[in-house]
Amino acid sequence: DAEITQSPRHKITETGRQVTLACHQTWNHNNMFWYRQDLGHGLRLIHYSYGVQDTNKGEVSDGYSVSRSNTEDLPLTLESAASSQTSVYFCASSEGPHTDTQYFGPGTRLTVL
Amino acid sequence: AQSVSQHNHHVILSEAASLELGCNYSYGGTVNLFWYVQYPGQHLQLLLKYFSGDPLVKGIKGFEAEFIKSKFSFNLRKPSVQWSDTAEYFCAVNADFGNEKLTFGTGTRLTIIP
Repeated sequence: DAEITQSPRHKITETGRQVTLACHQTWNHNNMFWYRQDLGHGLRLIHYSYGVQDTNKGEVSDGYSVSRSNTEDLPLTLESAASSQTSVYFCASSEGPHTDTQYFGPGTRLTVL
Repeated sequence: AQSVSQHNHHVILSEAASLELGCNYSYGGTVNLFWYVQYPGQHLQLLLKYFSGDPLVKGIKGFEAEFIKSKFSFNLRKPSVQWSDTAEYFCAVNADFGNEKLTFGTGTRLTIIP
């Protein structure tokens, strides 16, 4: 069955370190998204991609970057981790168009000390 | 910019009670509306969605939602809840044609007491 996976599932890091969270989908979807989930804020969009070599900023993109070199993967990089980036991160994908369902990964819980 | 409001932050019900979770959005144009559910320890999954046609949408596990355009609302309902419905529920909207981005509400935590 097609799926979307994230790794690691849990990560503890220190302030200032670079961290990369992996997202891999086997749906062959064009669209991929990264969200962060925080209490009281729901899910907020960080970055998204509509295809290979395409990346776009979401509403909370500061301090994060993504790259899309193939259809299956959209890694999320925290350039210099900050305590404010402690959160649960979800990756999602969809085929499109805009009415299509987004399929979510299991999430990565990141703690920045 | 589009926004979504879920005014019920935490709802506690007994089994067999009826459920209605509120969702209001702010956007004057064409919208697509979604309800996602996150069961404890699991990832988000789609409950139901509306993009055209009958404003009463039926989803999985006995849930339904009604799109009322004049009220900018898309409330989620279930006539009789079960303990297994304990979860967090998120309303989401896509309000730009050709734009696949979703804007989520802050979520409603539902606790069902056996």
